[in-house]
Amino acid sequence: EAQVTQNPRYLITVTGKKLTVTCSQNMNHEYMSWYRQDPGLGLRQIYYSMNVEVTDKGDVPEGYKVSRKEKRNFPLILESPSPNQTSLYFCASRHTAGGFTGELFFGEGSRLTVL
Amino acid sequence: GIQVEQSPPDLILQEGANSTLRCNFSDSVNNLQWFHQNPWGQLINLFYIPSGTKQNGRLSATTVATERYSLLYISSSQTTDSGVYFCAVDILTGGGNKLTFGTGTQLKVEL
Repeated sequence: EAQVTQNPRYLITVTGKKLTVTCSQNMNHEYMSWYRQDPGLGLRQIYYSMNVEVTDKGDVPEGYKVSRKEKRNFPLILESPSPNQTSLYFCASRHTAGGFTGELFFGEGSRLTVL
Repeated sequence: GIQVEQSPPDLILQEGANSTLRCNFSDSVNNLQWFHQNPWGQLINLFYIPSGTKQNGRLSATTVATERYSLLYISSSQTTDSGVYFCAVDILTGGGNKLTFGTGTQLKVEL
């Protein structure tokens, strides 16, 4: 089954404790992206990757890191989480090649609370 | 940047009613998608529709790219249709296609 898988789905942590949210897709998509969703602010892009070893900042990258060492994986790293990073996070992927951009597929979301 | 506005922002329907959701965008776009976010937070693809009309069961969508809008039709609504509906548009930038999401329409279908 074609899917984007995120883990963990739910996490409560404390300020300053490094954490990683993993994201994996099995559709051989070139493009992957992270979003956060907050009430009243909609979906905002954190980082995206056009392909392996190619990453770029989105609209709200501060406080986050990413890496794309393999095509299928795109982890989101919070080096020193703060309460303002409490949010619902989505990983997404899509096919982009030869000028074609396919539909975006989302993971199920990761609800993060930073105390 | 491009503006993507959805209307209405909120909608309450009785089960069985029909509705039309609208997505307006301020610039030319390469692609347009509709998503449904269910009450559990999952984002589900509904349509990938840069132009023309598509139908999937009780749902259909029409995009008129030249006039910069898209419509999502829900017929014979059911309580499971409740949630937030987002449109998202792709524009071409120096870094490739950039997806911008609309503000969403919150739909509640009541018995």
